[in-house]
This record gives sequence, C-alpha cells and structure tokens, in this order.
Amino acid sequence: DIQMTQSPSSLSASVGDSVTITCRASQNIASYLNWYQQKPGTVPKLLMYASSSLQTGFPSRFRGRGSGTDFTLTITNLQPEDFATYYCQQSSITPLTFGQGTKVEI
Amino acid sequence: QWQLQESGPGLVKSSETLSLTCSVSGFPISISTYFWGWIRQPPGKGLEWIGSIYESGSTYYNPSLKSRVTISVDTTGNHFSLRLSSVTAADTAVYYCAGHHCGGDCSTLAGYNWFDPWGQGALVTVSS
Repeated sequence: DIQMTQSPSSLSASVGDSVTITCRASQNIASYLNWYQQKPGTVPKLLMYASSSLQTGFPSRFRGRGSGTDFTLTITNLQPEDFATYYCQQSSITPLTFGQGTKVEI
Repeated sequence: QWQLQESGPGLVKSSETLSLTCSVSGFPISISTYFWGWIRQPPGKGLEWIGSIYESGSTYYNPSLKSRVTISVDTTGNHFSLRLSSVTAADTAVYYCAGHHCGGDCSTLAGYNWFDPWGQGALVTVSS
C-alpha cells in the first residue's frame, strides 16, 4: 500500500496568516493526489484534485502543488471558515489511501 | 443538485453483518464517468477507503477488508449497497457513500479519480 504522511498533524494560525500543509507519498504517485476539507461534525468535501485543480466553490486562496512524492496545500489569507482538518488522498493505485489529516486551528 | 443518502441500522451486534444502502438522487447511477464508493471514519480518526463499484458491477476493494466486504449496485433503483460481515468494535465508524469520479478513464481506479460528492454519513456502532 502507498503510505501518505501529512505534516504537521496540527497547526495553530490566525486569520490572515498563510499556512502550508505537506503530504508525502511513500512512492511516486505522479499528480494523482486529492485534498479534502472536513469541518468538525461535517462531511469531507473535495477541495483539490489532480494535485492542483481547485474544486468549484472554493476560493483561490487555496493552492495545491506537487508531483511525484511531495505535495503541498497552501492557504493564504486564512479566513475563519478555513479552520478545519485537511486530508490528502492518493489515487495512483488501489488501495486508495488517505493521509492522517492536518488540523488547522486558531 | 444531486445527493447521496446512506440508510441502514445504526447498531450492529458483534460478529453480525453491517448493511448500508446509499440512495442517489438527481443523477443516474449508470453514468459512465463515475464509480460509487464507500469510505469510513472511526470516531475521532481519519478516513479509510472501503471499496468502489462501477455501474457494470466491477468492484475494487481495500485488501484490508476484502474478505468481509461486498458492494453491489442497483441501477434500476439508483442505489448501491455495502455489506461488511463479521463485524467487531473496530468497525464502529461513520460510513460515507460517495460519488467516485473516474476523471476520464473508468476502466481502472489507477489514475485521476476523486470522491465527490459525499453522503451525510451514517454512524454505525458495533455492540458486544
């Protein structure tokens, strides 16, 4: 199985900050990497697909980058509604696997 | 706006079979660009892919659960289902169904594919 490792596991930030979450795959997954946002008590939502394609409905302050084994999700000008847990997920091969999540909190 | 909704018992006894159905509304389950998937999330923990099915009936399962999982699809009723046998407390989780977009090539789950949208989730507790 491909292991997905996110760092950090959690981070504290303030409104207006920029934050970067890293996701590392245990082997090359090209650009087959998705990101999901999950707010407490709610359903995960697709945020980014194919490493850098922003899902409709999300603002451009979210940016995804990377290919191969190293990926980043950057949120600039952090807003109150961005405080959530973010998961990366590889779709290169089955079993499809998720990172353990990064909680972005105030 | 299409939606997915899980339904099924919220409490299952240990060693028995968990059964959930995902009803899809506003969208044909037979559409060629989607698989249909199940993902679970134990309380306070991360996400685990269980498996996915194509409208033809082709299935992909997580090997960690494969011996206990069956996913089926009913294109007439526009729903798909999950059965997980011999459950234990470790199977207690919120179970989500999701549209699993193939990203263009639905002959395989290797490549561009992603989960969107998701159902609201169904908490299933396994009791002893």
